[in-house]
Amino acid sequence: DQQVKQNSPSLSVQEGRISILNCDYTNSMFDYFLWYKKYPAEGPTFLISISSIKDKNEDGRFTVFLNKSAKHLSLHIVPSQPGDSAVYFCAASGRSNAGNMLTFGGGTRLMVKP
Amino acid sequence: KAGVTQTPRYLIKTRGQQVTLSCSPISGHRSVSWYQQTPGQGLQFLFEYFSETQRNKGNFPGRFSGRQFSNSRSEMNVSTLELGDSALYLCASSMDASSYEQYFGPGTRLTVT
Repeated sequence: DQQVKQNSPSLSVQEGRISILNCDYTNSMFDYFLWYKKYPAEGPTFLISISSIKDKNEDGRFTVFLNKSAKHLSLHIVPSQPGDSAVYFCAASGRSNAGNMLTFGGGTRLMVKP
Repeated sequence: KAGVTQTPRYLIKTRGQQVTLSCSPISGHRSVSWYQQTPGQGLQFLFEYFSETQRNKGNFPGRFSGRQFSNSRSEMNVSTLELGDSALYLCASSMDASSYEQYFGPGTRLTVT
C-alpha cells in the first residue's frame, strides 16, 4: 500500500515557465512533508519542506503548497531552468513514527527544455 | 561543512556473501538513517539510529542489520546476499531525534552477481 504517491512519472516544461509537481498521501498521521531533487548517481538533495500547520512555504524559486483536506501537496518552480532537470521526490514523516522515518513517493522526472 | 560520506561508492559481491557499508554523517548530526533505492520499489526506509540505538526499522528481513558508533558514524550489514539486494544504498543524517530534514550521502551502488 503506497502511502505517498506521485502520479506523474515525468513532466516536460519550457525554460522560464512554471513547473508544478504533485504528490498525494493517504496516511493522516503524516505531519511534515519534504521535497528532494535527485540527479543520477547522486543522493537526493533536500529542497524545501512544510509542516502540516502551514499551507505554503516559499524559498526562492521553490514554493510548496499543502492541502490537508485533500491530502495533497505540490511543488512549484518558477521560473524553471534547464539545471532543474532531475527526478523530484516528495517524502512524508510523522510524529507517530518512533524516529525520523521518511516515506517517499515514486518520483517525477522533470525535463526543462531550453 | 562536509556532507554525508559513504564508502565504498561501488561494490560487486557474489550471492551468499556478506557486505558492510559505512556512513559518516554531517559533523554535529546525531541521527543516521539508511534507505534502499531500486527501480521497482523506489526509495525504502531500512532503519534509523540515534545515540547508538536503533529507533525505527523498515520492513526488511533480518539479513539487513546496522549499528551506530559513539561518534555517530554508522554501518549497515547485509548477510547472505541475494540477487534482489542489488540496489543503491543511501545514508542520511539529521541533526537530532526531532529533526525532520535529512541530508543524504551519494550512496553505495551494490551489485550482487
